[in-house]
Amino acid sequence: QSVLTQPPSVSGAPGQRVTISCAGSSSNIGAGYDVHWYQQLPGTAPKLLIFRDNNRPSGVPDRFSGSKSGTSASLAIAGLQAEDEADYYCQSYDSSLSGLLFGGGTKLTVL
Amino acid sequence: QITLKESGPTLVKPTQTLTLTCTFSGFSLSTSGVGVGWIRQPPGKALEWLALIYWDDDKRYSPSLRSRLTITKDTSKNQVVLTMTNMDPVDTATYYCAHRPATLTNNWFDPWGQGTLVTVSS
Repeated sequence: QSVLTQPPSVSGAPGQRVTISCAGSSSNIGAGYDVHWYQQLPGTAPKLLIFRDNNRPSGVPDRFSGSKSGTSASLAIAGLQAEDEADYYCQSYDSSLSGLLFGGGTKLTVL
Repeated sequence: QITLKESGPTLVKPTQTLTLTCTFSGFSLSTSGVGVGWIRQPPGKALEWLALIYWDDDKRYSPSLRSRLTITKDTSKNQVVLTMTNMDPVDTATYYCAHRPATLTNNWFDPWGQGTLVTVSS
């Protein structure tokens, strides 16, 4: 079980907005460590989607946004498209473990 | 353009030592702030961070695997090597190396290599 907890799956219809949560604790997200998000399309390597909580790398559509509050972070995807169907992972740092962490991943299904 | 590629054996026997090489281009590991990390993903499971080496040769390891891991760099060859001792079938996974952008704080990875599947079996 990951220290960063994500829902195993979420789904939404094309055009809808979905959010994926990443629940942490006082030793990681709650301590102020930044959260980063990755998208992993089927059969491919992960790709950076959001860095430092809410920053998009060049080329990532503004349909993707990140936020953080307290001990949790969220990834929001607006205007869902079929090509968004993928696994999504959050990542942060934990001071108690003295290491980098990934969440357990969330599979997004576009209905 | 930054690219990374992992290489190494696809099959190792239990108790053997795994050696993986990450060969990269488009950046230098002598540039301040830059790093290269290793992350693995068992089939159908989540990502797991393993190790990270910085431009100044500082090294960080996953606490749960620290005793089995060694990460080194060869700046002249643009390579980073990860060794993992005492391999077990549970270590079967796709192993990725990834670029850590030059930043004062924080560690994220962009981009990633394509990954290499390592199977541990007798």
